[in-house]
Amino acid sequence: DAGVTQSPTHLIKTRGQQVTLRCSPKSGHDTVSWYQQALGQGPQFIFQYYEEEERQRGNFPDRFSGHQFPNYSSELNVNALLLGDSALYLCASSLEEHARYEQYFGPGTRLTVT
Amino acid sequence: EDKVVQSPLSLVVHEGDTVTLNCSYEVTNFRSLLWYKQEKKAPTFLFMLTSSGIEKKSGRLSSILDKKELFSILNITATQTGDSAVYLCAVAVNTGFQKLVFGTGTRLLVSP
Repeated sequence: DAGVTQSPTHLIKTRGQQVTLRCSPKSGHDTVSWYQQALGQGPQFIFQYYEEEERQRGNFPDRFSGHQFPNYSSELNVNALLLGDSALYLCASSLEEHARYEQYFGPGTRLTVT
Repeated sequence: EDKVVQSPLSLVVHEGDTVTLNCSYEVTNFRSLLWYKQEKKAPTFLFMLTSSGIEKKSGRLSSILDKKELFSILNITATQTGDSAVYLCAVAVNTGFQKLVFGTGTRLLVSP
């Protein structure tokens, strides 16, 4: 049973650049949530995708956008990178019909913006 | 604004000690409270609590929720060095979909 996978593991970008992070949900899951975890902080909700649509987003600017594909995998895009975007980006998957709020997390992508 | 507060922020104990981690919350539309263990990257699920006063137990770990006083505790007995990690508390808020609000975590270090 494949768990949540994310790619790449690490990424170094320069201010102003754009980045795309990828996530494949746990087998059988249809909902993907993205979180940003700054050093020493808890994860902060960015947005969630279900049925290829963004359902709601947290307090993140429009520079953060995403997409969900028919196979339930998802991408997170960040434009015009700022130094403050340096963080661990976590993807979590769940099954909508269960509505049990048990989200399973991937290993994350460590993004460093220089 | 929904808020989850964990204490202490960090803790150092000796192997064999018992620890209690605290989580208090102020949220609208509470659905459940979850505990995760984060060792390197991926938080791993420990417990989900929805009802007051019912203890969830898994080996040396246990947790309980008090919905009246809006807090939860996570107990770890007979700690081992492998318990060293950041323990995250998250509250699921019912906004029509599954959104988790996390605390900043408690960093636990168990020394041999």
